[in-house]
This record gives sequence, C-alpha cells and structure tokens, in this order.
Amino acid sequence: EADIYQTPRYLVIGTGKKITLECSQTMGHDKMYWYQQDPGMELHLIHYSYGVNSTEKGDLSSESTVSRIRTEHFPLTLESARPSHTSQYLCASSSTLGQGSGRDTEAFFGQGTRLTVV
Amino acid sequence: AQSVTQLGSHVSVSEGALVLLRCNYSSSVPPYLFWYVQYPNQGLQLLLKYTTGATLVKGINGFEAEFKKSETSFHLTKPSAHMSDAAEYFCAVSHYGGATNKLIFGTGTLLAVQP
Repeated sequence: EADIYQTPRYLVIGTGKKITLECSQTMGHDKMYWYQQDPGMELHLIHYSYGVNSTEKGDLSSESTVSRIRTEHFPLTLESARPSHTSQYLCASSSTLGQGSGRDTEAFFGQGTRLTVV
Repeated sequence: AQSVTQLGSHVSVSEGALVLLRCNYSSSVPPYLFWYVQYPNQGLQLLLKYTTGATLVKGINGFEAEFKKSETSFHLTKPSAHMSDAAEYFCAVSHYGGATNKLIFGTGTLLAVQP
C-alpha cells in the first residue's frame, strides 16, 4: 500500500474561490508530480518537483501553482477557481535511488482529488 | 525524446478471453517501462514494471508483459479476462533515473469485459 495521501477526495467550490489541494507522502521520495485528468482521458503532467525548493511546469499549461518547502509535502493552489478547472487531480511521488545510480523507483499515486467548480 | 503510444483507446473482450493491450515506446536509451491500472475514481496502481533483466515480466492479478526491444513494444497480456479487470490501463516509460527524469504516460486504454 502506497503511503501517499491526497485531501480532500472530493471538493465542490464556487467560482473565484482560492483552493489548495494537499498531497503528502511518507516514503521520503525526492520527486513529486501533479497530474490533471478529465474523466476517461489521459494524464497530463502539470507540475513536478525534483526536491525541496525545486518546482517545474509540466507539459500542460496550468493556472495552478505549487510549492515544495518540505520533502513530504507538495500542495497545489488555485488562486481563483473557474469552471474550466473542474477535473481530477492526481499526485504522485517517486525516488531516485542514490545520485548517479541510474536507478529510479516507480511512481506511487494518491487516490486523487475530484474538483468541481460551479 | 521519450514517448508512449497505446493503440486502441477502448478494448472489449469477453470474460475468459485473452486480454492484449498494446504499448509502443520511443526512447533514445534503454527504457524503464511500466503498466498501471486505474479503477473509477481511484489513483493509479502499478501492475508491473521492466527495468533490466528478464524481458518477460509478471505482475499482479495475472497480468504479464514482454519487453521487445526490436519492436519497441511492451504489450500487456492476461490469458483469461475477469470481470474485475475492467478498468483503464496506462503504459509509461522513463529512462535511467536522475534528478530530471520523469515518467511519460500513454493516453490510456479502457478495457471492458463482457459477461
């Protein structure tokens, strides 16, 4: 069982509200990811982090922002939610097993947050 | 650049029939390859992975996949489908680890199992 947690699981919120989706992992993984997924559709990487104080934009442009102040925590924030932000957001983490080792663990996923903006 | 192609966004099989989900990859270096399964309203769960060594990889729930370098493929199979196998399946690729490596996912294949 993966030790990566997302809260809330479901969120319905009004347009213009600020929201933060939480993601925490207890595996000590250095890499963390946020994916956006519409129902029955592919995963789109929107943010990732290689470690503390390191964040990068993903392949899909997103109005959300992320921070990585602690290894275990990778929250995603929307300053002003809009109906177009309605989607499922999946958080994941993985580990590089020692610098230069050339080895990487698989990604572990949280249960997801289903966001609906009305 | 790495990429993953999953042929067939929807696959339907009868219960007890062979399951074959196709995945082809593009990578300039030997890849790591993964299959994940996603049930409705859930995150992704690792089914199996190939990193090095034996090219036939066995995973959970009776699934297996074979890495074929000459065909740049990593197809997922299961000899006999069960109703509980109905889900979305994602193939993913990464090359060697390192600080800037990240997983690249295919577009997914939705598997339906008919009684």
